[in-house]
Amino acid sequence: GAGVSQSPSNKVTEKGKDVELRCDPISGHTALYWYRQSLGQGLEFLIYFQGNSAPDKSGLPSDRFSAERTGGSVSTLTIQRTQQEDSAVYLCASRTTRGFTGELFFGEGSRLTVL
Amino acid sequence: DQQVKQNSPSLSVQEGRISILNCDYTNSMFDYFLWYKKYPAEGPTFLISISSIKDKNEDGRFTVFLNKSAKHLSLHIVPSQPGDSAVYFCAASKWGAQKLVFGQGTRLTINP
Repeated sequence: GAGVSQSPSNKVTEKGKDVELRCDPISGHTALYWYRQSLGQGLEFLIYFQGNSAPDKSGLPSDRFSAERTGGSVSTLTIQRTQQEDSAVYLCASRTTRGFTGELFFGEGSRLTVL
Repeated sequence: DQQVKQNSPSLSVQEGRISILNCDYTNSMFDYFLWYKKYPAEGPTFLISISSIKDKNEDGRFTVFLNKSAKHLSLHIVPSQPGDSAVYFCAASKWGAQKLVFGQGTRLTINP
């Protein structure tokens, strides 16, 4: 498709389980971001990938969170030993670095509920 | 440390009137500002932006105003339409930086 694709759209898991969230960015976009939105909160930056550079992981809230981007395209966000406070909508976004205007293209998000 | 703040969680406006959404920032290094709009179950979409060299940018019914001395920006929607009902996020960045810092969002409801 033409837009950013995320899966699953909804995930319900039990506390302590691991989850993986997937993001397919727009073809040709070299920059990829993960944000999350907790209930009543704004968009919180998690991690940023740009080409072959080392990712900016400064927003990851704990070492239970990790992300990778394979082949400069698809990205997976992994949350280990999930906690109830991890419940949120996880949003992936991509952009082209040519003529950067700051505009990010977001996917529809993956809603994670930790019971 | 909330660097971008939207102090009004919600706003209700009558159709046809002006909607004014406000945003404050604390980081004086920010020089590029954006507004995003989000409908339920969808990702945010870019609406309008402004760089710090300007104090106003207009696109159709949407105008963004920037007051650098007050570290304040606002989004004006005139006239407001029912389809404008959504959550609006203010975001800020330093030009060329890689991250956008978002506010908490304001839920705008346009009443017929």
